Amino acid sequence: RKEVEQDPGPFNVPEGATVAFNCTYSNSASQSFFWYRQDCRKEPKLLMSVYSSGNEDGRFTAQLNRASQYISLLIRDSKLSDSATYLCVVSSYNTDKLIFGTGTRLQVFP
Amino acid sequence: NAGVTQTPKFQVLKTGQSMTLQCAQDMNHEYMSWYRQDPGMGLRLIHYSVGAGITDQGEVPNGYNVSRSTTEDFPLRLLSAAPSQTSVYFCASSYGPGNNEKLFFGSGTQLSVL
Repeated sequence: RKEVEQDPGPFNVPEGATVAFNCTYSNSASQSFFWYRQDCRKEPKLLMSVYSSGNEDGRFTAQLNRASQYISLLIRDSKLSDSATYLCVVSSYNTDKLIFGTGTRLQVFP
Repeated sequence: NAGVTQTPKFQVLKTGQSMTLQCAQDMNHEYMSWYRQDPGMGLRLIHYSVGAGITDQGEVPNGYNVSRSTTEDFPLRLLSAAPSQTSVYFCASSYGPGNNEKLFFGSGTQLSVL
């Protein structure tokens, strides 16, 4: 089983739609969680960290469910510019390593 | 405002050739790392460094060497390229170990080994 698993998609949604992605992780000792965004043929960039109580940044909301070992990303009022691959990233306690999921591709159409 | 500078952007090698991918950062980051990205596999950690003079292996270190003689530079060496090393390579850095720190990535190197 992969340490971090994501549905590869693609998720095809119209502008203005709300879309949610989930990501599961296998290591219950994981402590830090992030969502990165990667545009086609570009480097990944941090979208947001995920905190235990959940957090919001504009149209983006991230949630953590430790009991079920998954994190989620909700995007409201989707824009064409949101089209990208969203990478789930997890790290374990007291290690220097981040584990990346394979990514979920989002395509927003007009 | 350079951030993480990675060169070259593209490289084609023949099997058995050697080469070095360069990575430099100007943010005084202690932590630097190399990833490779393959379709369906996500980013996989090759080697990382938590400071000058210190390096360690990641998930897929075989066939690659690294060194960290300065805080700024973290080159990745392929000693004898193999077709299995065809991939996109990203260098990344952060202020501290990866746990809670934002990773800054270079723009990537597309490597093809024939």
